[in-house]
Amino acid sequence: LAKTTQPISMDSYEGQEVNITCSHNNIATNDYITWYQQFPSQGPRFIIQGYKTKVTNEVASLFIPADRKSSTLSLPRVSLSDTAVYYCLVVSRSASKIIFGSGTRLSIRP
Amino acid sequence: DVKVTQSSRYLVKRTGEKVFLECVQDMDHENMFWYRQDPGLGLRLIYFSYDVKMKEKGDIPEGYSVSREKKERFSLILESASTNQTSMYLCASTPAESNQPQHFGDGTRLSIL
Repeated sequence: LAKTTQPISMDSYEGQEVNITCSHNNIATNDYITWYQQFPSQGPRFIIQGYKTKVTNEVASLFIPADRKSSTLSLPRVSLSDTAVYYCLVVSRSASKIIFGSGTRLSIRP
Repeated sequence: DVKVTQSSRYLVKRTGEKVFLECVQDMDHENMFWYRQDPGLGLRLIYFSYDVKMKEKGDIPEGYSVSREKKERFSLILESASTNQTSMYLCASTPAESNQPQHFGDGTRLSIL
């Protein structure tokens, strides 16, 4: 399973776009990139998943360059309620087991 | 919507006790997982199960066992609780199909005194 590296923490302000980048240099051909969000005293919640190029849903966008060695989670117009820890994971198509890193603690200020 | 329910949000036990943490999912998922989460260490996989009566060790199985007698229920057992097992425990489930996201419960915060 590929190891991921992401910033420990980030700060931003309400209404801004926030981009969190994750590197995964050892990603394999069959691996997907998945992002989770976790609030205090809750379990992680799935946000978005992608294989290549761009994926968008009602919550976020995920940008994956052609070499797939990194990915960027984009949160448009954040609010205070987006304050959470965000985890980037590489998930193997052939395995159910996943590994969580330490995540990025995002703090949104008024 | 998938619901993963953990039996207790908070639990306090004493050293040496046998502790059972229960997890139930309502979406007929084949795979179920137990993690513990500690500050600075992220989530670490203890055990997982891909079918009834099947189990696989995760990264930190020592001091734990699991039971999967029914598809919807996955139990984590601390045979003889120790203080270093004080942690947040999270249960998750996912279907057998690959690339499906894991659905988590809200966790059990376990304190061993």
